[in-house]
Amino acid sequence: ETGVTQSPTHLIKTRGQQVTLRCSSQSGHNTVSWYQQALGQGPQFIFQYYREEENGRGNFPPRFSGLQFPNYSSELNVNALELDDSALYLCASSFSEAGELFFGEGSRLTVL
Amino acid sequence: AQSVSQHNHHVILSEAASLELGCNYSYGGTVNLFWYVQYPGQHLQLLLKYFSGDPLVKGIKGFEAEFIKSKFSFNLRKPSVQWSDTAEYFCAVRGSGGGADGLTFGKGTHLIIQP
Repeated sequence: ETGVTQSPTHLIKTRGQQVTLRCSSQSGHNTVSWYQQALGQGPQFIFQYYREEENGRGNFPPRFSGLQFPNYSSELNVNALELDDSALYLCASSFSEAGELFFGEGSRLTVL
Repeated sequence: AQSVSQHNHHVILSEAASLELGCNYSYGGTVNLFWYVQYPGQHLQLLLKYFSGDPLVKGIKGFEAEFIKSKFSFNLRKPSVQWSDTAEYFCAVRGSGGGADGLTFGKGTHLIIQP
């Protein structure tokens, strides 16, 4: 186990709805990043939070947003869901911005 | 933009066979390189990483990888595979200047070891 926990593990939404995914980072880690893994693909970087500030972002539209809290846990919010948002969403935490990533088991989102 | 190419999407081997999974990357600068493994139903976990120094790096469970800068490659090897090595393997790259760019992953190689 990595100590990174994600919730919920599975959820189903419909197009146009909004979703919030949650991540509790490993103790002592101040950096959290989020990845989207579509079926049959490698994970794609969404964004990274370091000490409550977004400090890096991949090629995802603004309807993907996030938060990091003072205890370094994090949320990923996706607005106006599209069918292509169906994927496994992975959270990873690390000791620092450039540190080794420890991944959670993911939240599987299905958009109908 | 950086990218990672994994040559084989599916590999089937018998136990005790030798393994080599190819990985090539494209990045305009110095890099950190990683191999991650995802066992069925489990989270992604780090097999090994290269930041600097000896280009031959050893990881967990008998895996090793060699960074060849001139070829932009970071191939994963294991001399003798076991049934328990059945998993999805991902190569990933990140600029060595910091983590804010995130990791760029390849599409993965699905490895099946037949007993």
